[in-house]
Amino acid sequence: QITLKESGPSLVKPTQTLTLTCSFSGFSFSTTGVGLSWIRQPPGKALEWLAFYYWGDDKRYNPSLENRLTITHDTSTNRVVLILSNVDPVDTATYYCAHSRLSYYDIATGSSEGHGLDVWGPGTTVTVSS
Amino acid sequence: DIQMAQSPSSVSASVGDRVTITCRASQDISTWVAWYQQRPGKVPKLLIYEASNLHSGVPPRFSGSGSGTDFTLTISRLQPEDFATYYCQQADTFPWTFGQGTRVEIK
Repeated sequence: QITLKESGPSLVKPTQTLTLTCSFSGFSFSTTGVGLSWIRQPPGKALEWLAFYYWGDDKRYNPSLENRLTITHDTSTNRVVLILSNVDPVDTATYYCAHSRLSYYDIATGSSEGHGLDVWGPGTTVTVSS
Repeated sequence: DIQMAQSPSSVSASVGDRVTITCRASQDISTWVAWYQQRPGKVPKLLIYEASNLHSGVPPRFSGSGSGTDFTLTISRLQPEDFATYYCQQADTFPWTFGQGTRVEIK
């Protein structure tokens, strides 16, 4: 059974760096096709895909945030970390991590065959305010 | 980036109604679309993947269709627990993108 859980600060000040952790169980990045995404949702707004970590240590980012985002996998633990630098009040949102499985992925072009974000964590709410 | 234009933004319906939500991709994405349900205050749940495949445990009143650029999520007989917001998402090319959501409200 796959489970995920997000953790991190609930309040950060503008210009600070936000570090969120997704702790997971029930799968491994040593398995072909396994990926983990971060998604966020500002209050009352739509879902926004942020970043992706893939089997083989490949990473993908939302271009609108790419210069502020970093995703890493702590290989000694079952954790994926998302770092968002220079936060602003518009970054106030609930942040989710989610598991997915890909049947195809081209690192060069970014083409994928994704089977949906099938398991989600409960989310962690982050407020950016001074 | 591939844009996902979802419509309508909201729909009012009654229990037992048939509801259809559409999503149009800005380019051909084959069948690499997923649909999610999000009840108020809850975590999104996967309903459909690869345009028409029902995720495990999802009731068969939910169905998906389409390929290329036009996709549809249909709820055949709306139940009280189906009043929620629904999102489409393309998984054809990174960056993955979501539609803006369709809120299904009680008439």
